[in-house]
Amino acid sequence: SQQGEEDPQALSIQEGENATMNCSYKTSINNLQWYRQNSGRGLVHLILIRSNEREKHSGRLRVTLDTSKKSSSLLITASRAADTASYFCATDARETSGSRLTFGEGTQLTVNP
Amino acid sequence: GAGVSQTPSNKVTEKGKYVELRCDPISGHTALYWYRQSLGQGPEFLIYFQGTGAADDSGLPNDRFFAVRPEGSVSTLKIQRTERGDSAVYLCASSRQGVGETQYFGPGTRLLVL
Repeated sequence: SQQGEEDPQALSIQEGENATMNCSYKTSINNLQWYRQNSGRGLVHLILIRSNEREKHSGRLRVTLDTSKKSSSLLITASRAADTASYFCATDARETSGSRLTFGEGTQLTVNP
Repeated sequence: GAGVSQTPSNKVTEKGKYVELRCDPISGHTALYWYRQSLGQGPEFLIYFQGTGAADDSGLPNDRFFAVRPEGSVSTLKIQRTERGDSAVYLCASSRQGVGETQYFGPGTRLLVL
Protein backbone atom coordinates (compact mmCIF):
# COMPACT_ATOMS: atom_id res chain seq x y z
CA SER A 1 0.00 0.00 0.00
CA GLN A 2 1.14 3.55 -0.62
CA GLN A 3 2.49 5.12 2.52
CA GLY A 4 3.56 8.54 1.36
CA GLU A 5 0.85 10.91 0.31
CA GLU A 6 1.77 14.16 -1.34
CA ASP A 7 -0.25 17.30 -1.11
CA PRO A 8 -1.26 19.06 -3.27
CA GLN A 9 -1.67 16.72 -6.23
CA ALA A 10 -0.99 19.61 -8.60
CA LEU A 11 0.53 23.04 -8.14
CA SER A 12 0.86 25.83 -10.68
CA ILE A 13 2.95 28.92 -9.92
CA GLN A 14 4.78 31.75 -11.67
CA GLU A 15 8.53 31.79 -12.16
CA GLY A 16 10.25 33.34 -9.16
CA GLU A 17 7.62 32.24 -6.66
CA ASN A 18 8.23 29.61 -3.99
CA ALA A 19 6.66 26.16 -4.21
CA THR A 20 5.80 24.08 -1.16
CA MET A 21 4.84 20.43 -1.34
CA ASN A 22 3.85 18.27 1.60
CA CYS A 23 4.10 14.58 2.31
CA SER A 24 2.46 12.49 5.01
CA TYR A 25 3.24 8.92 5.94
CA LYS A 26 1.99 6.30 8.35
CA THR A 27 4.76 4.17 9.85
CA SER A 28 8.05 4.82 11.63
CA ILE A 29 10.84 5.54 9.19
CA ASN A 30 14.62 5.37 8.88
CA ASN A 31 14.66 8.20 6.40
CA LEU A 32 12.59 10.07 3.85
CA GLN A 33 13.75 10.93 0.36
CA TRP A 34 12.45 13.42 -2.21
CA TYR A 35 12.73 12.73 -5.93
CA ARG A 36 11.93 14.65 -9.10
CA GLN A 37 10.65 13.02 -12.28
CA ASN A 38 10.35 14.54 -15.71
CA SER A 39 8.02 13.09 -18.33
CA GLY A 40 7.36 9.83 -16.47
CA ARG A 41 10.89 8.47 -16.79
CA GLY A 42 13.86 8.22 -14.41
CA LEU A 43 13.72 9.69 -10.94
CA VAL A 44 16.35 12.19 -9.88
CA HIS A 45 17.29 12.13 -6.22
CA LEU A 46 16.97 15.52 -4.50
CA ILE A 47 17.44 15.12 -0.76
CA LEU A 48 17.54 12.38 1.89
CA ILE A 49 16.58 13.39 5.43
CA ARG A 50 17.08 10.96 8.30
CA SER A 51 14.59 10.39 11.07
CA ASN A 52 16.78 12.22 13.59
CA GLU A 53 17.06 15.32 11.39
CA ARG A 54 14.54 18.14 11.28
CA GLU A 55 15.67 20.25 8.37
CA LYS A 56 18.02 20.01 5.42
CA HIS A 57 19.04 22.40 2.66
CA SER A 58 20.45 21.87 -0.80
CA GLY A 59 20.73 24.91 -3.04
CA ARG A 60 17.20 26.25 -3.58
CA LEU A 61 15.67 23.23 -1.84
CA ARG A 62 14.67 23.05 1.80
CA VAL A 63 13.22 19.91 3.35
CA THR A 64 11.69 19.62 6.80
CA LEU A 65 10.70 16.49 8.69
CA ASP A 66 8.33 16.24 11.63
CA THR A 67 8.33 12.66 12.88
CA SER A 68 5.73 13.41 15.55
CA LYS A 69 3.27 14.41 12.84
CA LYS A 70 4.68 11.92 10.32
CA SER A 71 5.01 14.62 7.73
CA SER A 72 7.62 16.31 5.54
CA SER A 73 7.67 19.34 3.29
CA LEU A 74 9.74 20.30 0.28
CA LEU A 75 10.22 23.99 -0.42
CA ILE A 76 11.66 25.17 -3.73
CA THR A 77 12.60 28.84 -3.59
CA ALA A 78 12.79 31.23 -6.55
CA SER A 79 11.28 28.64 -8.87
CA ARG A 80 12.25 28.35 -12.53
CA ALA A 81 10.43 26.95 -15.54
CA ALA A 82 12.96 24.08 -15.51
CA ASP A 83 11.60 23.03 -12.09
CA THR A 84 8.41 21.87 -13.83
CA ALA A 85 8.18 18.14 -12.99
CA SER A 86 6.52 15.63 -10.71
CA TYR A 87 7.88 15.47 -7.18
CA PHE A 88 7.67 12.35 -5.02
CA CYS A 89 8.42 11.64 -1.42
CA ALA A 90 9.55 8.13 -0.57
CA THR A 91 9.84 6.58 2.86
CA ASP A 92 12.22 3.91 4.06
CA ALA A 93 10.17 2.21 6.75
CA ARG A 94 11.94 1.04 9.87
CA GLU A 95 10.34 -2.39 9.95
CA THR A 96 11.24 -3.41 6.42
CA SER A 97 14.58 -4.83 5.43
CA GLY A 98 16.88 -3.46 2.80
CA SER A 99 15.41 0.01 2.52
CA ARG A 100 12.62 -0.65 0.08
CA LEU A 101 11.07 2.72 -0.66
CA THR A 102 7.37 3.42 -0.51
CA PHE A 103 6.31 6.29 -2.76
CA GLY A 104 3.32 8.57 -2.77
CA GLU A 105 1.46 9.52 -5.92
CA GLY A 106 3.41 12.73 -6.36
CA THR A 107 2.80 16.42 -6.83
CA GLN A 108 2.79 17.75 -10.38
CA LEU A 109 4.48 21.16 -10.27
CA THR A 110 4.10 23.57 -13.18
CA VAL A 111 6.20 26.72 -13.17
CA ASN A 112 4.95 29.24 -15.71
CA PRO A 113 7.50 31.56 -17.34
CA GLY B 1 31.30 6.65 -13.17
CA ALA B 2 28.13 6.13 -15.12
CA GLY B 3 24.74 6.03 -13.51
CA VAL B 4 22.22 3.21 -13.55
CA SER B 5 21.40 2.11 -17.08
CA GLN B 6 18.44 0.10 -18.33
CA THR B 7 17.75 -1.60 -21.61
CA PRO B 8 15.71 -1.51 -23.68
CA SER B 9 14.28 2.00 -23.30
CA ASN B 10 11.00 0.86 -24.76
CA LYS B 11 9.56 -2.58 -25.34
CA VAL B 12 6.38 -3.41 -27.20
CA THR B 13 5.18 -6.98 -27.01
CA GLU B 14 2.05 -9.00 -27.53
CA LYS B 15 -0.08 -10.50 -24.83
CA GLY B 16 1.26 -13.90 -23.83
CA LYS B 17 4.86 -13.26 -24.84
CA TYR B 18 7.95 -13.43 -22.63
CA VAL B 19 10.09 -10.33 -21.98
CA GLU B 20 13.38 -9.60 -20.27
CA LEU B 21 14.37 -6.21 -18.94
CA ARG B 22 17.97 -5.46 -18.05
CA CYS B 23 19.50 -3.23 -15.39
CA ASP B 24 23.14 -2.21 -15.01
CA PRO B 25 23.65 -0.68 -11.56
CA ILE B 26 26.29 1.82 -10.56
CA SER B 27 29.62 0.04 -10.31
CA GLY B 28 30.30 -1.21 -6.81
CA HIS B 29 26.72 -0.90 -5.59
CA THR B 30 25.71 -4.09 -3.81
CA ALA B 31 22.01 -3.27 -3.42
CA LEU B 32 19.70 -3.32 -6.43
CA TYR B 33 15.96 -2.65 -6.58
CA TRP B 34 13.22 -3.04 -9.15
CA TYR B 35 10.10 -0.87 -9.08
CA ARG B 36 7.11 -0.58 -11.38
CA GLN B 37 5.30 2.66 -12.14
CA SER B 38 1.89 2.90 -13.74
CA LEU B 39 0.67 6.09 -15.38
CA GLY B 40 -0.12 8.80 -12.85
CA GLN B 41 1.11 6.75 -9.91
CA GLY B 42 4.25 6.61 -7.82
CA PRO B 43 6.69 3.72 -8.24
CA GLU B 44 5.85 0.47 -6.45
CA PHE B 45 8.47 -1.86 -5.06
CA LEU B 46 8.96 -5.24 -6.73
CA ILE B 47 12.17 -6.86 -5.51
CA TYR B 48 15.43 -6.07 -3.72
CA PHE B 49 18.80 -7.79 -4.22
CA GLN B 50 21.72 -7.67 -1.83
CA GLY B 51 24.59 -9.07 -3.85
CA THR B 52 23.43 -12.09 -5.80
CA GLY B 53 20.50 -13.01 -3.62
CA ALA B 54 16.95 -11.70 -3.59
CA ALA B 55 16.64 -10.38 -0.05
CA ASP B 56 13.03 -9.27 -0.47
CA ASP B 57 10.76 -10.32 -3.34
CA SER B 58 7.51 -9.56 -1.58
CA GLY B 59 6.54 -6.92 -4.15
CA LEU B 60 6.43 -9.27 -7.12
CA PRO B 61 2.74 -9.38 -8.13
CA ASN B 62 2.60 -13.07 -9.08
CA ASP B 63 4.72 -16.00 -10.23
CA ARG B 64 4.90 -14.69 -13.80
CA PHE B 65 7.49 -12.23 -12.55
CA PHE B 66 11.02 -13.33 -11.74
CA ALA B 67 14.36 -11.55 -11.40
CA VAL B 68 17.97 -12.67 -11.22
CA ARG B 69 21.32 -11.13 -10.45
CA PRO B 70 23.73 -14.03 -10.94
CA GLU B 71 27.03 -12.19 -10.49
CA GLY B 72 25.91 -9.48 -8.12
CA SER B 73 25.98 -6.75 -10.74
CA VAL B 74 23.63 -6.79 -13.74
CA SER B 75 20.06 -7.83 -13.05
CA THR B 76 17.36 -9.11 -15.37
CA LEU B 77 13.64 -8.85 -14.68
CA LYS B 78 11.73 -11.58 -16.49
CA ILE B 79 8.01 -11.53 -17.19
CA GLN B 80 6.30 -14.63 -18.55
CA ARG B 81 2.96 -14.77 -20.36
CA THR B 82 2.67 -10.99 -20.37
CA GLU B 83 -0.73 -9.41 -19.82
CA ARG B 84 -1.98 -5.95 -20.82
CA GLY B 85 -2.00 -4.99 -17.16
CA ASP B 86 1.78 -5.45 -17.06
CA SER B 87 2.16 -2.30 -19.18
CA ALA B 88 4.10 0.20 -17.10
CA VAL B 89 7.51 1.80 -16.70
CA TYR B 90 9.90 -0.57 -14.95
CA LEU B 91 12.51 1.27 -12.92
CA CYS B 92 15.75 -0.06 -11.51
CA ALA B 93 17.70 1.56 -8.69
CA SER B 94 20.92 0.82 -6.87
CA SER B 95 22.59 1.93 -3.67
CA ARG B 96 26.01 1.34 -2.18
CA GLN B 97 25.03 -1.11 0.51
CA GLY B 98 21.28 -0.89 0.93
CA VAL B 99 20.10 0.08 4.34
CA GLY B 100 19.26 3.73 4.83
CA GLU B 101 21.05 4.99 1.75
CA THR B 102 20.17 7.04 -1.29
CA GLN B 103 18.79 4.98 -4.15
CA TYR B 104 19.86 6.09 -7.62
CA PHE B 105 17.39 5.34 -10.37
CA GLY B 106 17.86 4.44 -13.99
CA PRO B 107 15.81 5.94 -16.85
CA GLY B 108 13.39 3.03 -16.87
CA THR B 109 12.02 0.67 -19.48
CA ARG B 110 8.57 1.51 -20.82
CA LEU B 111 6.78 -1.79 -21.45
CA LEU B 112 3.65 -1.87 -23.58
CA VAL B 113 1.73 -5.12 -23.87
CA LEU B 114 -0.72 -5.10 -26.77
